Amino acid sequence: GAVVSQHPSWVICKSGTSVKIECRSLDFQATTMFWYRQFPKQSLMLMATSNEGSKATYEQGVEKDKFLINHASLTLSTLTVTSAHPEDSSFYICSAGETGGAADTQYFGPGTRLTVL
Amino acid sequence: AQSVAQPEDQVNVAEGNPLTVKCTYSVSGNPYLFWYVQYPNRGLQFLLKYITGDNLVKGSYGFEAEFNKSQTSFHLKKPSALVSDSALYFCAVGPGGYNKLIFGAGTRLAVHP
Repeated sequence: GAVVSQHPSWVICKSGTSVKIECRSLDFQATTMFWYRQFPKQSLMLMATSNEGSKATYEQGVEKDKFLINHASLTLSTLTVTSAHPEDSSFYICSAGETGGAADTQYFGPGTRLTVL
Repeated sequence: AQSVAQPEDQVNVAEGNPLTVKCTYSVSGNPYLFWYVQYPNRGLQFLLKYITGDNLVKGSYGFEAEFNKSQTSFHLKKPSALVSDSALYFCAVGPGGYNKLIFGAGTRLAVHP
């Protein structure tokens, strides 16, 4: 149980274009999903917290107009990188929070590697 | 400032030997504590967590972790390492629960045959 998927697993795009990444909780409902960014050989940096049916909460220093997050259902959150530039190239990982009882754990997706040319 | 420290960038251990990956934290209150493992170009896999109760927590793949409140530590252990355990291990602390996790820098575990 507690499987989270991400699509696509990798994407290459041209500078100035937008890229959408999907995060799905496959076997549980997640009222809260999280988006992280991981640079090579570094730890995860929380970008934003996504709550179903409401606006995402962005961490300090993360541009909300550049990284658009939508959490339209209890099993799907999307991250859109708008007007991507080479410095946006990174590994983006989502997680979904399973709550209640013995849960209260973030389960992570497999990640999406974005390369902006 | 709240922080999580994994003092070792890399831990080397021979297959069959016990392993320990260290984690200490500086967080107020009673945080949730987690260990995750990451294989190359993959997301993080949940190993185990401590919220309350017994200080020794058992998790996936034979891993366990010991919570020590006085030392604010949550070291990951396994009695007998496997080559397939070689990966990047992250300690994470949730000051307010399971959300807003603070991650350590990660420790690369290399298990040699």
